[in-house]
Amino acid sequence: DAKTTQPTSMDCAEGRAANLPCNHSTISGNEYVYWYRQIHSQGPQYIIHGLKNNETNEMASLIITEDRKSSTLILPHATLRDTAVYYCIVASFGNEKLTFGTGTRLTIIP
Amino acid sequence: DVKVTQSSRYLVKRTGEKVFLECVQDMDHENMFWYRQDPGLGLRLIYFSYDVKMKEKGDIPEGYSVSREKKERFSLILESASTNQTSMYLCASSYLSDTEAFFGQGTRLTVV
Repeated sequence: DAKTTQPTSMDCAEGRAANLPCNHSTISGNEYVYWYRQIHSQGPQYIIHGLKNNETNEMASLIITEDRKSSTLILPHATLRDTAVYYCIVASFGNEKLTFGTGTRLTIIP
Repeated sequence: DVKVTQSSRYLVKRTGEKVFLECVQDMDHENMFWYRQDPGLGLRLIYFSYDVKMKEKGDIPEGYSVSREKKERFSLILESASTNQTSMYLCASSYLSDTEAFFGQGTRLTVV
C-alpha cells in the first residue's frame, strides 16, 4: 500500500472549517483514500473514503486532487468534540489490513 | 449500532505470565483484527482473522498468538508477557472485503 504524509499537528478555531491535508504521491490506480479519527481514550472511528471523486457524508467532506497525489479532509464547522488524531490511509478496496501512520493531532480551540 | 467489546480497559500482569485479551463483536463480521498502539508508532497490526479458525500474521506477530473458535470472538494471547509488550491493544472487526473497520475501546496492558 502507498505511504501517506500528514502534518503532525494542527489547530483550528471552533466553528471554522478544519482542513486536514494528506500527501500520497505513490498512490496507485486501484487504491482508495480512507480517513479515520481517534478521540482520546477511544478506538479509531471511520470517517469517509474515496477513489477520485470528491465525497461528502454527515461527518466530513473529502477532496481528492485530480492527479490523486493528495487529498484534504474537511470538517465544515469544527466543534470541540472534533479534537482527535486524524489518520489518512491509502489501501486497495477490499484490503482489510489497514496501515495506520501517526496521523495529525487536530486541536479545536474555543 | 455495531459493538466491539474488549473484556478489560486496564490490565496489569507480571513478566512471564500468560495473558489473554478477549474481543467480541455483535455484527456477524467475518474479519477481526488485533492492533497495538504505542506513542510515536501509531497503530500496528499484530494478527487478523477472516474466518473461524483462520488467522494471518500482521506486521508484528512475534510474541503473540491468536484464537478464533467462534465467529464473534477473537482472542489475543501473550504466551509469556514481557515488559516490551506494555501497550494499548485495540481490537477491530469488519465485513469481508470492507475497509470500514469498527474498533473496540482498547485495553491498556501494563507488564511489570
